[in-house]
Order: sequence, then structure tokens, then C-alpha cells
Amino acid sequence: AQKVTQAQTEISVVEKEDVTLDCVYETRDTTYYLFWYKQPPSGELVFLIRRNSFDEQNEISGRYSWNFQKSTSSFNFTITASQVVDSAVYFCALIINRDDKIIFGKGTRLHILP
Amino acid sequence: AAGVIQSPRHLIKEKRETATLKCYPIPRHDTVYWYQQGPGQDPQFLISFYEKMQSDKGSIPDRFSAQQFSDYHSELNMSSLELGDSALYFCASSLARRAGNSPLHFGNGTRLTVT
Repeated sequence: AQKVTQAQTEISVVEKEDVTLDCVYETRDTTYYLFWYKQPPSGELVFLIRRNSFDEQNEISGRYSWNFQKSTSSFNFTITASQVVDSAVYFCALIINRDDKIIFGKGTRLHILP
Repeated sequence: AAGVIQSPRHLIKEKRETATLKCYPIPRHDTVYWYQQGPGQDPQFLISFYEKMQSDKGSIPDRFSAQQFSDYHSELNMSSLELGDSALYFCASSLARRAGNSPLHFGNGTRLTVT
């Protein structure tokens, strides 16, 4: 069975601090895709990144970076120099290749304090 | 850039009523997914369509039905509404046949409140 665990339910940091959101996944499939989505207070789900299981290269996009480690089944997300606008719920998600449904983690609620 | 359009944004219905939610995918996206997100919960997969045919089915109640039309827009029909159906309903679309093969782009959601 597939599963995504985001152990951090809620995190608060002061603006300009760096913060890492953890994501651990479980699957026996060898081909799968990992995603991060942001859900701000307005409610929409904003796509941040997609990574396939064969590409372990880390990625940086502005203040956002992702660390994919197959050895530990983790796909962690770091925000550098956090800003108040980063306050949101962040979901890590998994899709296996032969399936259609995204399996979301429970989400991490991130508060960036001014 | 065009995004996934969902209507209405908000809907209030009474118990046992019927509701219809609409989704207009990004142009050229032929795959549509529906998700339900209860308060404080993660989104749960309901159903998906590819080229107007049902592709996969998740935890969708029998009271709900959905279809994808010739212009690729999709509608989620919900009958005999219950209080527990109150949730945010998302539609997502993608270019690829399989959900992982290209990013899923979500609409802004329809917030359904059943009273």
C-alpha cells in the first residue's frame, strides 16, 4: 500500500528563517511520482514541484529547494529566508505509475511570523 | 496562463438536495480528476476521466456521479446531500493519460456547505 507521512503537523518560524518540511513516503512500486502542493488560506492548491522516482537530482527554485533521497524514501522541502506570504498548508503527495489517484500526506501548516 | 476553472466557488444546499459542480480543464488537457477535501483534511480522490471515459474511481459515494463532456469539461452531480458532504471539492486536469506523467493543476475549488 502507498502512504505519505508528514510528521510535522504545524510549524512556526520567524520571518527570514529557513524551514524544512519533511515528507516520507512508502510504496513498493519502482516507478512513481512525488509532488509538493501549497494551499494558502484562500484554499486553492498550488502546484510546486513534480519529481519522478528515477530522478534523484535535487532542485532549487528561488527560495525553494527539494531534497529527494530514495535511500530514506524522503522528499523534503526547504524554504530559505521565509516570508509571511509562505504561510500556508503544504502537502506532499505520491502517485504510482499504474494509478490515477494522488495520495496526499496530512499536510504541514506553516506559520511565518513577522 | 489559463487555469482550471471551477464553478460555482461557493454553494449552500440543504440536506437531501442535489448539487452540480462544474469543471473546465486547462485547454488541451483531456484528463480530469475530482477530489474532496473535508475541513482540516487532505484531499481524497473521487474519480477521474480520460477522453470522456471514466478512468479510475476512488472513494466516491454512490449518491455521486460524474461525467466528462465532448468539450472536456466535467460535472460532478451529488444527490441526497448529507451534512458530511460539506467540503471543498477540487477539480484537476493534466495533459497526460496517467496522473503522474505530467503535473496536475488544480482549480480553486468549490466550497459546498450542506445545512
